Amino acid sequence: NAGVTQTPKFQVLKTGQSMTLQCAQDMNHEYMSWYRQDPGMGLRLIHYSVGAGITDQGEVPNGYNVSRSTTEDFPLRLLSAAPSQTSVYFCASRTYLAGGLNNEQFFGPGTRLTVL
Amino acid sequence: SQQGEEDPQALSIQEGENATMNCSYKTSINNLQWYRQNSGRGLVHLILIRSNEREKHSGRLRVTLDTSKKSSSLLITASRAADTASYFCAKGDFGNEKLTFGTGTRLTIIP
Repeated sequence: NAGVTQTPKFQVLKTGQSMTLQCAQDMNHEYMSWYRQDPGMGLRLIHYSVGAGITDQGEVPNGYNVSRSTTEDFPLRLLSAAPSQTSVYFCASRTYLAGGLNNEQFFGPGTRLTVL
Repeated sequence: SQQGEEDPQALSIQEGENATMNCSYKTSINNLQWYRQNSGRGLVHLILIRSNEREKHSGRLRVTLDTSKKSSSLLITASRAADTASYFCAKGDFGNEKLTFGTGTRLTIIP
């Protein structure tokens, strides 16, 4: 199994440009999520999904869109990039347990995004 | 906002020594997890401890949970150079699918 894969690994954008960060998993996990990691801030949740067709906002959703058309894929779209979105982005997945219980999350290798 | 706060922020020890990292949180939890992140890489899950558990072991790792003090600790015994990494705790709330991560402890093992 490839686990969680992310593309691209690095990206440089100009302010105002849009792009999509790709995330895919081959573990048939229902739950997928996007985090951003900034120095000294730990990981902050952007958006998450508990299954195909279902998405919800996390802690820092502004400026980002997501969709979940398949179990495997969970792309993150930056609508109009801003320097404040310079960060490292991680996608993660896990099985989904009823009752909101958490279990082990599997992380992708990350995408390092710079917005000029 | 980060609910899990690790202490210390940075820790340097000699190879072979034990390393202890602490995590405090503010609200009741369903479970608490510890992750490791090597420089420039994604996070790797280490241990999950549920709110009704007090201690768990995995190899050289030992995690304790004190729900009355809202705190957890991660002990790495007989440290190795390969243990150099950042360690994060992540809190899972009841009835909530989200994990809330702390800011991490940067551990350096000196050969």
